[in-house]
Amino acid sequence: GAVVSQHPSRVICKSGTSVKIECRSLDFQATTMFWYRQFPKQSLMLMATSNEGSKATYEQGVEKDKFLINHASLTLSTLTVTSAHPEDSSFYICSVRILQQFFGPGTRLTVL
Amino acid sequence: QKEVEQDPGPLSVPEGAIVSLNCTYSNSAFQYFMWYRQYSRKGPELLMYTYSSGNKEDGRFTAQVDKSSKYISLFIRDSQPSDSATYLCAMTFANQAGTALIFGKGTTLSVSS
Repeated sequence: GAVVSQHPSRVICKSGTSVKIECRSLDFQATTMFWYRQFPKQSLMLMATSNEGSKATYEQGVEKDKFLINHASLTLSTLTVTSAHPEDSSFYICSVRILQQFFGPGTRLTVL
Repeated sequence: QKEVEQDPGPLSVPEGAIVSLNCTYSNSAFQYFMWYRQYSRKGPELLMYTYSSGNKEDGRFTAQVDKSSKYISLFIRDSQPSDSATYLCAMTFANQAGTALIFGKGTTLSVSS
């Protein structure tokens, strides 16, 4: 069965709005979750590591004020894309690591 | 030079063919080598992982690692239309933040019936 779920699976929004994506680990507690972004025909790029109870760790080049991460509980991490622009349109995937890495189904964001 | 190189394809084969997917890498510190399968608009799912040089077989899939040449392969025997997907190689190494996971761009495979 699924280890990680994401909601929504797809979202279309207007430029300038904020979008929240939820990532839930199912059946187990995850102190760390990972957020990736995947542009068409490109590899997955790690954006940030979400840590329960503390600040997220962002990869170089990722704006922490634009991509807000909240790891409120051991089973939920949220990524909020603030003031989204068309260049933020991408496939956002979260994952957890239990010996191996399990990925969520992804959220396709389209910013008009 | 990127750390992990993977030909994006697309690769088109008839049903029943043997498929060979490959990645090369430059960082000799990579420890684990993995292959993920990603269907369209879905998250990646782990197919196989290996640690040492050599072959590892799982059903119709064989993962091969050659650390001396910094080259890994995934072979699919008796390919099926349901194998049509993007296959990503990935590698891990330890860094100050823990374990880093680096992906190739993925190879898109299409198996026709």
